Amino acid sequence: QSALTQPASVSGSPGQSITISCTGTSGDVGAYNYVSWYQQHPGKAPKLIIYDVSNRPSGVSDRFSGSKSGNTASLTISGLQAEDDSDYYCISYTSRNTWVFGGGTKVTVL
Amino acid sequence: EVQLVESGGGLIQPGGSLRLSCDASGFSVNSFYMTWVRQAPGEGLEWLSVIHIGGSTYYADSVKGRFTISRHNSKNSVDLEMDSLRPEDTAVYYCARGRWGSYYMDVWGKGTTVTVSS
Repeated sequence: QSALTQPASVSGSPGQSITISCTGTSGDVGAYNYVSWYQQHPGKAPKLIIYDVSNRPSGVSDRFSGSKSGNTASLTISGLQAEDDSDYYCISYTSRNTWVFGGGTKVTVL
Repeated sequence: EVQLVESGGGLIQPGGSLRLSCDASGFSVNSFYMTWVRQAPGEGLEWLSVIHIGGSTYYADSVKGRFTISRHNSKNSVDLEMDSLRPEDTAVYYCARGRWGSYYMDVWGKGTTVTVSS
């Protein structure tokens, strides 16, 4: 199972919006609306920020939003803030009853 | 408080075996599916294995045949037995839970470190 494809890095200035893509196949991202996104700060466990493509858990800022088109899911961070400087991972359920992560994206707030 | 605590990591020689444990508190592991995820130094997250409420298990190709996930309801814990360890298995290993009917992991442990080296 190949990892989902994410850009290695994305950057933006405070207040700007950025979008991270997550490209898979018809056997994972394209097959189900079961893409979730995690934020991970260095040395910490991942934190769920989006589930089922576009749903936010309670307590997660509404500056985070998700979408999907075909085999590509996207995470958008609006009104970029310093605390958004972190690593972000997408993960999708697959037709093999497994999950597969993306390679991760380093977001830098300039 | 809902919590997961991993243990059992350490330094192991290539070819060796190690058993990781994930102790749960604040919920019952037999009411959730439980997964293991790892992260090699400086690398991304890699999904490894899941054990469902009904007991069915699935593995990533990278560990299939070498790793075994199991659940111990009496101890409220989940284990990951790792055999034939390789240097590329060096990583922080996390356990995480998922709610029945959902396809995401909502609670994670802080991880335990496994180093495979001679």
